[in-house]
Amino acid sequence: DVKVTQSSRYLVKRTGEKVFLECVQDMDHENMFWYRQDPGLGLRLIYFSYDVKMKEKGDIPEGYSVSREKKERFSLILESASTNQTSMYLCGTSPSGGAVTEVFFGQGTRLTVV
Amino acid sequence: KNQVEQSPQSLIILEGKNCTLQCNYTVSPFSNLRWYKQDTGRGPVSLTIMTFSENTKSNGRYTATLDADTKQSSLHITASQLSDSASYICVATGGSQGNLIFGKGTKLSVKP
Repeated sequence: DVKVTQSSRYLVKRTGEKVFLECVQDMDHENMFWYRQDPGLGLRLIYFSYDVKMKEKGDIPEGYSVSREKKERFSLILESASTNQTSMYLCGTSPSGGAVTEVFFGQGTRLTVV
Repeated sequence: KNQVEQSPQSLIILEGKNCTLQCNYTVSPFSNLRWYKQDTGRGPVSLTIMTFSENTKSNGRYTATLDADTKQSSLHITASQLSDSASYICVATGGSQGNLIFGKGTKLSVKP
C-alpha cells in the first residue's frame, strides 16, 4: 500500500512565524502535490513537483514556497504565516505516466495561525 | 472555465437506504473522472477512476456512472452503512495540463 505521511496532524502557529509542513511518501512516486482545503471551496492546488528539485506553481502559490531535495520528501513553507493561511493542508503523490494515474493523499495537517 | 459542480451539498439518509450523488463537469479537454471519499479530518481516498470511454465502474457498494456526452457523473451507494458518513468529492482530470479539478463535495450523513 502507498503510504503518504504528513509530519503533523494539527499545528498552531503565531502570525509571522516561518512554518514548515513536511510530506514523505514511500512508493517512489515522481509527482507530489500540496493542496489546501477550505469549507465551501474544495481543494486548491498550491504547488506541485514532477521531479527532484523541480517545482511548479499551482492556482494559489502566493505566500507559499516548496522544497524537494529528495524524491520522497516534499516540503511546504509558509515564509511568514498569516491568519488567512489557517486551513487543512493535504499532500498528494502519484506515479508518472499520464493523466489516469492514481493520486494518493496524506492524512492532512490542520494548521491554525493565531 | 474548467469546473466541477456537485449536488446536493449535503444529504442525510437512514442506514440501509440507497442514495445517489451527482456531479456535472465542464472540463476541456477531458481525460477522466474520479470519486474520492473523505472522512472528517482525514485525507481523501480514491473510490473509482473512469476514463471517457467507460460508463460505469463499481467498488463494492459504490457504483459510479459517467456520461461523457452530457458531462455528468453519479455515485450510487447501496445499502448505506454508518461508516459511509463522509464527504464525497468528484474530480475531473483534464484541461491543457491534465490538472485535477475538484468539486466542493457532498457531505453525506448516515443515521441509525
